[in-house]
Formats: sequence, C-alpha cells, structure tokens
Amino acid sequence: AQSVAQPEDQVNVAEGNPLTVKCTYSVSGNPYLFWYVQYPNRGLQFLLKYITGDNLVKGSYGFEAEFNKSQTSFHLKKPSALVSDSALYFCAVRDPDGGSQGNLIFGKGTKLSVKP
Amino acid sequence: GAGVSQSPSNKVTEKGKDVELRCDPISGHTALYWYRQSLGQGLEFLIYFQGNSAPDKSGLPSDRFSAERTGGSVSTLTIQRTQQEDSAVYLCASSLVVQDLYEQYFGPGTRLTVT
Repeated sequence: AQSVAQPEDQVNVAEGNPLTVKCTYSVSGNPYLFWYVQYPNRGLQFLLKYITGDNLVKGSYGFEAEFNKSQTSFHLKKPSALVSDSALYFCAVRDPDGGSQGNLIFGKGTKLSVKP
Repeated sequence: GAGVSQSPSNKVTEKGKDVELRCDPISGHTALYWYRQSLGQGLEFLIYFQGNSAPDKSGLPSDRFSAERTGGSVSTLTIQRTQQEDSAVYLCASSLVVQDLYEQYFGPGTRLTVT
C-alpha cells in the first residue's frame, strides 16, 4: 500500500538557519513526489515536485528537496529560513503504477515555526 | 488567471441535515479531486474525476457521501444526514493530467461544522 510519513509534527528553526522537513514514502513503483505548503486559513500551495531526472529539485520560495531512492526519502530543505516560512508543510506521493487513478497520498503534515 | 474556487467558505449545519459543497476548477483542467482535512489527520482523499471516465470513489468514507461533476467542470460534493464526525475542511483541487504535469492546484476549502 502507498503511504507517506512525516515523522515530525513540528520543526522549530531560528531565522537565518537552514531548515529540513523530513518525508519518507512507500510505493510499489517509481514515485511521483510533491511538497505543498499551507498558510493559516489558506488552501494548499504547490512548492515542488519530483517526477524523474535530477534528484535535487528546486521549487518556489527558495525551497529544494532531494529524492533519495535507497532511503525512500524526499526531505524538504532551505538554506536560510525566514519567519514568513512558518506554515504547515505536506509531503505527498502519487504512485503511477499503483492502480490509483491520480489522487495524491498525503503525509499528516509538519508545522514549521521560524523564530526571529 | 483564476484559481480553484469553492463555496461556501464556511458552513454550519445541524446533525442530520444534508449539505452541498461546490468546486469550480481551473478552466481547462480535466482532473478534479476532493479531499478532507481533519484536525490532526492530514489530508484524506475522497473522490477523483478525470475527463469522461468513471470517477474513482474509493476514498468516500460512507454511502452518505456522493459527488458529481457536471459538464466536465463544476463539481458538487453532497453529504447526506451529516454527523459530527463529518466536521472538517473539504478541499477541492484540479490538475492537467499530461506528462510531467501532475501538480494539483487547491481551492481555499469549505470549513464544515456539524453541530
């Protein structure tokens, strides 16, 4: 069965420090991986995706993520955090070989808090 | 351009009543998804429409939930005989289903409260 795990409910970072939000996945085939961000009282916004190709993916707002097939991980990173990055972050996977018709499987979310 | 829109933004209803939630996808997007976001539960897939194909209803939690998509555009999610456990934010998303373009664009959601 397809699944996504975000092992940390909350990540606290000081402004200017690097941040990492962790994600691991389980699928039967080659995964399509996504990160979304949700600001308070807003819908989800797409940040970046991995479909194929370079394992390091760059996305919006200076975020990047690295696909690691051996560790089945897709951690989200940013070299220097901003207070405005504080939000809820969701990792998601789509398994194109898993029989589903396109829906994403989401992790439970990680709350990122960046303090000045 | 216009994004995904949902209405109403908030809905308070009494237990046992029926509710309808509406989603207007991005024009030209052939795929439409409904998700439910409950406190502490992340996002739960409900139903998926793709073009004229039969919808994937595998995520609907009970037969009180149904959805339709008219003319390949607007979708309505209906919850009959609402229960308190139906209280959640219901999110709609749409996407272009073409090679390498799988990201979904989400609406702001409808917050449903069942009293």
